[in-house]
Amino acid sequence: AQTVTQSQPEMSVQEAETVTLSCTYDTSESDYYLFWYKQPPSRQMILVIRQEAYKQQNATENRFSVNFQKAAKSFSLKISDSQLGDAAMYFCAYRFSGGGADGLTFGKGTHLIIQP
Amino acid sequence: KAGVTQTPRYLIKTRGQQVTLSCSPISGHRSVSWYQQTPGQGLQFLFEYFSETQRNKGNFPGRFSGRQFSNSRSEMNVSTLELGDSALYLCASSLEGPGANTGELFFGEGSRLTVL
Repeated sequence: AQTVTQSQPEMSVQEAETVTLSCTYDTSESDYYLFWYKQPPSRQMILVIRQEAYKQQNATENRFSVNFQKAAKSFSLKISDSQLGDAAMYFCAYRFSGGGADGLTFGKGTHLIIQP
Repeated sequence: KAGVTQTPRYLIKTRGQQVTLSCSPISGHRSVSWYQQTPGQGLQFLFEYFSETQRNKGNFPGRFSGRQFSNSRSEMNVSTLELGDSALYLCASSLEGPGANTGELFFGEGSRLTVL
């Protein structure tokens, strides 16, 4: 079974600085998706960024980028120019891309604090 | 386009009762999945429905069940409630079909269940 591990329960960063959230996963599959979801205090889970395992190029969405290392099964999220609105729980998630796929497997989350 | 809508947002039940939660997916989305979120266990996959058929199920007891209707709306039911069922129940929908499989899930705001 696949597992997702986020080793940092909490991270703190100064506003405008850069922070990197770590995620490792374990799977025997070769085709899958990886995601970073953000859950602010309002609770609604919002997709931050996604990566398809077959793509070598790291995904980027504005201030958010990932470092995807398939061989190492590592998928870290870098947030540049941190803003107060980035404060939230961040969840790394895995999903097999095959037919009849299971749901998402989530890590335990990292609570990101933005210091003004 | 309206997002994923979950009702009710909050509810309180007592042990032994049953509860039904409802989820309306984004228009055009045929896949609906359910997740349980608790402080201790984190986010756990309950089940996924596609075109009225349960496609996959997580590791939960038979007290947890669900269904999907022809309009893709979904309900989940928990019978004989236990204290440990207190959680945030999240519903997510996704667009699937030829050329449309991105793996991305869109989440609702959740239903907060408290069992006394």
